[in-house]
Amino acid sequence: QQPVQSPQAVILREGEDAVINCSSSKALYSVHWYRQKHGEAPVFLMILLKGGEQKGHEKISASFNEKKQQSSLYLTASQLSYSGTYFCGTTHILTGGGNKLTFGTGTQLKVEL
Amino acid sequence: GAVVSQHPSRVICKSGTSVKIECRSLDFQATTMFWYRQFPKQSLMLMATSNEGSKATYEQGVEKDKFLINHASLTLSTLTVTSAHPEDSSFYICSARDQARATYEQYFGPGTRLTVT
Repeated sequence: QQPVQSPQAVILREGEDAVINCSSSKALYSVHWYRQKHGEAPVFLMILLKGGEQKGHEKISASFNEKKQQSSLYLTASQLSYSGTYFCGTTHILTGGGNKLTFGTGTQLKVEL
Repeated sequence: GAVVSQHPSRVICKSGTSVKIECRSLDFQATTMFWYRQFPKQSLMLMATSNEGSKATYEQGVEKDKFLINHASLTLSTLTVTSAHPEDSSFYICSARDQARATYEQYFGPGTRLTVT
């Protein structure tokens, strides 16, 4: 089953912060975060592994709560370039972690002046 | 580094014809590549996992006889949509993981937009 993301959509003014949540019904091995602009392929932001956390960018960070089977992406001091659709991709313990990603429902983020 | 290319970027074909999409890892080797399909305003749905030198693994509900996958080398996987119909029109994206890296990120190709008329 597909991870559920919240909110579905959010509009920010430049400089504001945002939090995007990703919730899974299955035990997670890793969570990957991507940003996709319209008509383009997803761009990798960061990955969080079971038992650890890996930060990908300075103003974009994430947390991983294994017990709650959730991850959150934090965007601080948003810029116009942050606009796009954010997806979490999850791998699961029952499938041995591995490579197979299940993508979340997506969050549309728009940053305005 | 870690660049994945796809060809073609856009293709329009007539109903009933077949279309081949190529996915290449340009600067790394990938024993495993993935094929996704994305309909407008929807998430990416994994279609199949392509394994070099062996048969692809298809997700539930994906017709393996319709979506033929070949992974003949460590840098190339192809997806052939056979007897395409308008409902196959979609954005097809491949990804690959660099097996030599001790990280887990997948690198995505730029995608192929297929329109079946």
